[in-house]
Amino acid sequence: DGGITQSPKYLFRKEGQNVTLSCEQNLNHDAMYWYRQDPGQGLRLIYYSQIVNDFQKGDIAEGYSVSREKKESFPLTVTSAQKNPTAFYLCASSSTGTRDNQPQHFGDGTRLSIL
Amino acid sequence: AQSVTQLGSHVSVSEGALVLLRCNYSSSVPPYLFWYVQYPNQGLQLLLKYTSAATLVKGINGFEAEFKKSETSFHLTKPSAHMSDAAEYFCAVKDNFNKFYFGSGTKLNVKP
Repeated sequence: DGGITQSPKYLFRKEGQNVTLSCEQNLNHDAMYWYRQDPGQGLRLIYYSQIVNDFQKGDIAEGYSVSREKKESFPLTVTSAQKNPTAFYLCASSSTGTRDNQPQHFGDGTRLSIL
Repeated sequence: AQSVTQLGSHVSVSEGALVLLRCNYSSSVPPYLFWYVQYPNQGLQLLLKYTSAATLVKGINGFEAEFKKSETSFHLTKPSAHMSDAAEYFCAVKDNFNKFYFGSGTKLNVKP
């Protein structure tokens, strides 16, 4: 079945450490997204990519970095510059039709905590 | 930027009662509207999406939503709540640049 796989499900970060969250999709979608979810704040967009080798900052990109070398993969690195990384991170993908009602599809998330 | 407003961060209903979760969107967006459900420690699952074919949209698990352009609303309803409906629900819109905007979510509690 097609879907989005996020790994690991739980991740712990030490002070000053960079960690990378994996996101892989086999839906043949061009667009991929990373969101951060904190209690009571809904989803906030970190980065998104509409095509391979291109990506744009979202609303809260500081302290995060991404790459998009393959259509299927959109890893997110949480750098040591992100001082409050504890959150639930969601990866999503969608087709790139701009005038249609195709939805986003989501992975099951990665919960990141500070050690 | 577009905006989505969900009135009520927490809604509590009794099992068997009507569920009504409210969503209003900024009028500048095209009607690419969605409702998602999220269970604890899981990703978002699509409940339903608006299509121009009808103003009343049926989704999974007995949920439906009505698009009212004059009120810029897309409220989610279910005639009879079930315990398994307890979750968080998100309304979302997509703009013409394939960017999605989410409401802050409504947590639904179902009392036995």
